[in-house]
Amino acid sequence: QKEVEQDPGPLSVPEGAIVSLNCTYSNSAFQYFMWYRQYSRKGPELLMYTYSSGNKEDGRFTAQVDKSSKYISLFIRDSQPSDSATYLCAMRANQAGTALIFGKGTTLSVSS
Amino acid sequence: DAGVTQSPTHLIKTRGQQVTLRCSPKSGHDTVSWYQQALGQGPQFIFQYYEEEERQRGNFPDRFSGHQFPNYSSELNVNALLLGDSALYLCASSRGEGYYNSPLHFGNGTRLTVT
Repeated sequence: QKEVEQDPGPLSVPEGAIVSLNCTYSNSAFQYFMWYRQYSRKGPELLMYTYSSGNKEDGRFTAQVDKSSKYISLFIRDSQPSDSATYLCAMRANQAGTALIFGKGTTLSVSS
Repeated sequence: DAGVTQSPTHLIKTRGQQVTLRCSPKSGHDTVSWYQQALGQGPQFIFQYYEEEERQRGNFPDRFSGHQFPNYSSELNVNALLLGDSALYLCASSRGEGYYNSPLHFGNGTRLTVT
């Protein structure tokens, strides 16, 4: 079993839809959870960063972490064509020097 | 404020050759990590440098080595290139090894093709 599982999609939605992206993980030591957006031929760009369980909202983006279920989600409201990208979940343990572990990424396409 | 910069952007090498990739961290960052991203996959951790020392290493062979300079910039070296080394190599910087809650900022990567 991989440490982080993420459905690669692709996921296609119409403009204005609510998008839900998810990851599951197996390592209970993970405490920091991130979502990155990666456009084609670019590096990952940090979208959301949360610690432990709970919700965090930033504009049209909401990140949720449920540590009891080892499940994290990213919601995108009022999706736009410019949101079309690959979304990577990533997480790390609460220890100095620990590596960031990524999911495979979900490819999202928002059509106008 | 310059972000993470990597050079070159693209590189084509032949099997068996050696390659050096370069990275300058974001201003104010002193820790550099390198990741390999194969097509259709998430980034895989190679190693992390802090205070000019390799602090942690992922599951990569000794053909992969690195260096960090006093100005915090870093190099990734890969010897005896294999076809399977073809990937996007990403450099990420963060603030301080001890600041494990410091999020990683990535460059746009170097696309390496091994023929």
